[in-house]
Amino acid sequence: AQRVTQPEKLLSVFKGAPVELKCNYSYSGSPELFWYVQYSRQRLQLLLRHISRESIKGFTADLNKGETSFHLKKPFAQEEDSAMYYCAPAFTGGGNKLTFGTGTQLKVEL
Amino acid sequence: DADVTQTPRNRITKTGKRIMLECSQTKGHDRMYWYRQDPGLGLRLIYYSFDVKDINKGEISDGYSVSRQAQAKFSLSLESAIPNQTALYFCATSQRESADTQYFGPGTRLTVL
Repeated sequence: AQRVTQPEKLLSVFKGAPVELKCNYSYSGSPELFWYVQYSRQRLQLLLRHISRESIKGFTADLNKGETSFHLKKPFAQEEDSAMYYCAPAFTGGGNKLTFGTGTQLKVEL
Repeated sequence: DADVTQTPRNRITKTGKRIMLECSQTKGHDRMYWYRQDPGLGLRLIYYSFDVKDINKGEISDGYSVSRQAQAKFSLSLESAIPNQTALYFCATSQRESADTQYFGPGTRLTVL
């Protein structure tokens, strides 16, 4: 079965520290991979899309096909990065719908 | 993104009542989606529509129904609301291309007493 796992419900880091939000998926194919972010009192929005290989707000994500992971990273956390982050693979078949992980709440402390 | 709107933004209702949540978009997208968000469970897909005549169940469609009145409008109904349908509901849209970016509405907070 296709599944996405975000093992951390809450991740707390200090400002300036590196951040890594984990995402693992189980799928035999090659999904399109996304990270979405939800800032406090704002709507969910796209943060990063693997195929475009863009770096958004300093975040990057590398696909590891061997480990089927797509971890989100940032070298130096900022206070404004505090938000809920969702990993969302789009598995082929069934119209490439997104499957959202359970989310990781990132809290950046001063 | 103001191009995707949801009404109402907040609603409190009682068990057994019929409720309709509405979503409108001006992005010209063919695809529309309804999700619910629950703490610790993330976003789960309720229904999705790839065009006006193509409506599909998501992973948690029981207790819900939808109507795609036009390309721009996609409504979610709870025929007989129950307390465990208390959640934050999001509408989203995307282009026809596969796995394209989804654009979300602001959400509707529904409480069923």
